Amino acid sequence: DAKTTQPPSMDCAEGRAANLPCNHSTISGNEYVYWYRQIHSQGPQYIIHGLKNNETNEMASLIITEDRKSSTLILPHATLRDTAVYYCIVRGRDDKIIFGKGTRLHILP
Amino acid sequence: EPEVTQTPSHQVTQMGQEVILRCVPISNHLYFYWYRQILGQKVEFLVSFYNNEISEKSEIFDDQFSVERPDGSNFTLKIRSTKLEDSAMYFCASSVTGGLNYNEQFFGPGTRLTVL
Repeated sequence: DAKTTQPPSMDCAEGRAANLPCNHSTISGNEYVYWYRQIHSQGPQYIIHGLKNNETNEMASLIITEDRKSSTLILPHATLRDTAVYYCIVRGRDDKIIFGKGTRLHILP
Repeated sequence: EPEVTQTPSHQVTQMGQEVILRCVPISNHLYFYWYRQILGQKVEFLVSFYNNEISEKSEIFDDQFSVERPDGSNFTLKIRSTKLEDSAMYFCASSVTGGLNYNEQFFGPGTRLTVL
């Protein structure tokens, strides 16, 4: 799996959009970008995934650059419950998920 | 909404004892996984399981570990002789598909294993 680089931590004010960046410059053509999050002491939770196009669901939006070397997860209106560690993961034809250290997102009241 | 469940939520055991961690995956899922997370560290893959056999395992998953799907609903992780370093949170996950480019895994709440 391609390596990803994320900032170790970020702050965001409650109610504002949280934009979490991820670099994956060695991604190959058949690899997807996944985002998971882990709220303290809970199991990881799937957020969204994409290949080339931007994606949106009820939780977040995923913006992937045209060259696919980076992406941004957007939480449109962050709440205190969005405080968690966010993992950007690149996966190909592989069952297992390789988690990195992720970005610890603090939502500030 | 269907979810993965795990029991017990916390297991305390003596070093050298056997433990069995239990998971009930989502009912129509066919692929099952165990991960672990030592306190303060990354989530680590242990094993994946499909069609009643292990499809992949990590270096952590040595002879002390085994997995089983004893019936149509449960998926278990057994540690034969626990060591202090086995103390961790163990997460079960399941997915509908596997081995494809798109594979959304749903995780359970975890079992905290403490080895004394």
